[in-house]
Amino acid sequence: IAGITQAPTSQILAAGRRMTLRCTQDMRHNAMYWYRQDLGLGLRLIHYSNTAGTTGKGEVPDGYSVSRANTDDFPLTLASAVPSQTSVYFCASSRTGLDGTDTQYFGPGTRLTVL
Amino acid sequence: QKEVEQDPGPLSVPEGAIVSLNCTYSNSAFQYFMWYRQYSRKGPELLMYTYSSGNKEDGRFTAQVDKSSKYISLFIRDSQPSDSATYLCAMKAGGGADGLTFGKGTHLIIQP
Repeated sequence: IAGITQAPTSQILAAGRRMTLRCTQDMRHNAMYWYRQDLGLGLRLIHYSNTAGTTGKGEVPDGYSVSRANTDDFPLTLASAVPSQTSVYFCASSRTGLDGTDTQYFGPGTRLTVL
Repeated sequence: QKEVEQDPGPLSVPEGAIVSLNCTYSNSAFQYFMWYRQYSRKGPELLMYTYSSGNKEDGRFTAQVDKSSKYISLFIRDSQPSDSATYLCAMKAGGGADGLTFGKGTHLIIQP
C-alpha cells in the first residue's frame, strides 16, 4: 500500500506557465487537502475536498484551483505561476473514524520553484 | 497575531533528556489537537491526537492540552538522536473532515 503519492517530486517552472501537481491516495479516504509550506509561515491550507465532486477554499486559495472527479485523485493547478508560489506543496487525505476523529495523512511533497 | 504560536527553535538537548514542546492558540473553538513530526525533506507524520483537555500517553510521548489556558504541550522522554526533527502542532474546531491550523514548527536537535 503506497498511501499518498505526489508528482512531480520537484519542478522548476517559468513564471506565467501553467502547472498541475498530482496527488493520488489508495486508502479510500473521503477527504483530501492541499497545503503549502513556507519557511517562517508553516503549513497553510490551500483547498480541500470533503468528498468526490465537492471542493472548498482554505486559507490561501488565490492563484490555485482543484478538482475532485473521483475518490483517489485531487490535482492542484496553478493557472499562471508567479514567484510567490515557490513553496513545498503537501497533499493530505483523511477519513472520519467512528469516534468522530479525523486523522490526516500527508504525502511526501512537491518542491516547486517559480522563476 | 497568528492563530497558533510555536517557538521555531532550534531547541538542542542532550540524548536522554526530557523534551518539552509547546504551542499557544487564540481560537477558543479549537477542540482537536495534534502533534506531527517532520523529518527534513519529508511529509509530516502524525504522532499524537487529542480531543479537548487532558493528557494522552503513547510510549515515550505525552501530549497535554489545557483549554483554559489555550496551551498544548508535547513531552518526549528518554530522547534519542532519531527524535531530531521539526515538530508541528496542529488543531481544528470540528470533528469531521476539516483543514488543520498549524504552528510554524519547532526544530529539535538531540545531541548524541
